[in-house]
Amino acid sequence: QKEVEQDPGPLSVPEGAIVSLNCTYSNSAFQYFMWYRQYSRKGPELLMYTYSSGNKEDGRFTAQVDKSSKYISLFIRDSQPSDSATYLCAMRRMNYGGSQGNLIFGKGTKLSVKP
Amino acid sequence: SAVISQKPSRDICQRGTSLTIQCQVDSQVTMMFWYRQQPGQSLTLIATANQGSEATYESGFVIDKFPISRPNLTFSTLTVSNMSPEDSSIYLCSVTGMGSYEQYFGPGTRLTVT
Repeated sequence: QKEVEQDPGPLSVPEGAIVSLNCTYSNSAFQYFMWYRQYSRKGPELLMYTYSSGNKEDGRFTAQVDKSSKYISLFIRDSQPSDSATYLCAMRRMNYGGSQGNLIFGKGTKLSVKP
Repeated sequence: SAVISQKPSRDICQRGTSLTIQCQVDSQVTMMFWYRQQPGQSLTLIATANQGSEATYESGFVIDKFPISRPNLTFSTLTVSNMSPEDSSIYLCSVTGMGSYEQYFGPGTRLTVT
């Protein structure tokens, strides 16, 4: 079983839709959770960063972490064509540095928002 | 957030040659990392670049193939040695800022080996 699982999509939605992106993980030691957005031929851009369980909101984006279910989500409200990109989840164990601090990534979900 | 630049942005190289990729950050950072991103695959950590000492490599990556330097807190290089077509990939520099757990990525270097 991979440490982090993410449906690669592609996911296609109409403009204005609410988008739900998800990842599951197997290692209960993960404490720090991140979502990255990657446009074609660009590097990953950090969107959201959360620690432990709970919700975090930033504009149209909401990140949720459910550690009991080992499940994280990113919601995009009022989606725009400019949101079309690949979204990567990533997570890290509590301690930072060395092998304990490395980010483990999902494969990414490709999102297309149609005008 | 830190601003990260990489050189070159892309290159096409012949089998058996080597390429050095540079990573420059606009501010001092705590940690610097090198990742590989292959089509359809997760980002894979190659190594952590340690200032003033040998890099720490992940399983499956060795210093002879991917020598890394980090002479100061804002600069690092990754060399891909004796290249084969299997080394065709995007190579990404990544950093964490001072006193921060947030991790940022550079724009990447797209390498094609023929």
